[in-house]
Amino acid sequence: DVKVTQSSRYLVKRTGEKVFLECVQDMDHENMFWYRQDPGLGLRLIYFSYDVKMKEKGDIPEGYSVSREKKERFSLILESASTSQTSMYLCASTPWGSIAGNTIYFGEGSWLTVV
Amino acid sequence: QQQVKQSPQSLIVQKGGISIINCAYENTAFDYFPWYQQFPGKGPALLIAIRPDVSEKKEGRFTISFNKSAKQFSLHIMDSQPGDSATYFCAARPGAGSYQLTFGKGTKLSVIP
Repeated sequence: DVKVTQSSRYLVKRTGEKVFLECVQDMDHENMFWYRQDPGLGLRLIYFSYDVKMKEKGDIPEGYSVSREKKERFSLILESASTSQTSMYLCASTPWGSIAGNTIYFGEGSWLTVV
Repeated sequence: QQQVKQSPQSLIVQKGGISIINCAYENTAFDYFPWYQQFPGKGPALLIAIRPDVSEKKEGRFTISFNKSAKQFSLHIMDSQPGDSATYFCAARPGAGSYQLTFGKGTKLSVIP
């Protein structure tokens, strides 16, 4: 069974803290994504990566960075967390050559609260 | 900016009824239109998808209707069941070779007994 695992499901962090959200996929997929999901706003792409050490900005990259040192792992970093970053974060992956959306797999989400 | 406009934001349907969710887009380069279903506490999962050269696609109780000239597509859930209660997202792919999807804002469906 395919698996995208977000290790931290629920986090509470203080304003100004550095936050790491980790995502691991076991499907040997080349492409990985970080989305942010907010009520009434849908899913918004933060960053994506199409290969190790490669990254591209999505629609809302401000305040975030990413790291992809290994193919299976894609990390989202909040350098200095703010209350506006309280949200649910979704990681996803898809292989090269797939029709985007045809075989995209999502993790179960990481709920981040910044106080 | 590429957008997909989804409506309604929330929907309450009686068990056995038909649930209809609509999406509209402007970018004629969109070439693939998937729908995702998300249960509380879970990530979205692909439900059904359609290409613009097809006007309708049916999988079980779920049907996508596509109107290319109007740039609209919709999800119909026939004989809606309480287990269908979830948030539904439409999405669109901005052309072949793109791995990015543009998502609608979601519709929260509640099917009441």
